[in-house]
Amino acid sequence: QTVVTQEPSFSVSPGGTVTLTCGLSSGSVSSNYNPSWYQQTPGHAPRTLIYSTNTRSSGVPDRFSGSILGNKAALTITGAQSDDESNYYCALHMGGGNWVFGGGTRLTVL
Amino acid sequence: EVQLVQSGAEVKKPGESLKISCRGSGYSFSNYWIAWVRQMPGKGLEWMGIIYPRDSDTKYSPSVQGQVTISVDKSLSTAYLQWSSLKASDTAIYYCARQDGSALFYFDNWGQGTLVTVSS
Repeated sequence: QTVVTQEPSFSVSPGGTVTLTCGLSSGSVSSNYNPSWYQQTPGHAPRTLIYSTNTRSSGVPDRFSGSILGNKAALTITGAQSDDESNYYCALHMGGGNWVFGGGTRLTVL
Repeated sequence: EVQLVQSGAEVKKPGESLKISCRGSGYSFSNYWIAWVRQMPGKGLEWMGIIYPRDSDTKYSPSVQGQVTISVDKSLSTAYLQWSSLKASDTAIYYCARQDGSALFYFDNWGQGTLVTVSS
């Protein structure tokens, strides 16, 4: 079974830059998987941040950006704010209508 | 405005059946895939399956295949997730999410979540 890997946790200083990644247990992530990113704070539904690798969803600040770095999808937050302290999930479309979410990264801003 | 509104929290006993719902509004319900996503206590998001309301084409994650049923009633613009015999391990928050309609393959709108608690 396909496993999508994310860093379990990450820490960034306010105003700093952090890059979270999304990989595959076997193989490389490419744009063909249409990587998307979701932000979730405890007690709330996920919020869509990035789709199609690098397109920001409506209303998402431009300090969030997506890319492919090497063999992984990446979410970069530039100029991190305290509001960005959340859990971040990537999702990959595996084809045939099937999806897999990564395990999520808990981001701390301190 | 696109909205997905889910049914309220449920408390059930092991072995009981349950059907939770997700009603879409503000868009052409039949033309967008609706997914169900599970979040067990303290855990991450897990894709369970997806349905296309127009023809009820349905896909399931191997981890839930045979354990749940996803269905839809187009006339009510509502998707459903149901269990015939709940287990304690089904305790989770369940989200419905709309897949975008432009073949960009992402979830562009989310329901508020339904908390299901299964306990004796």
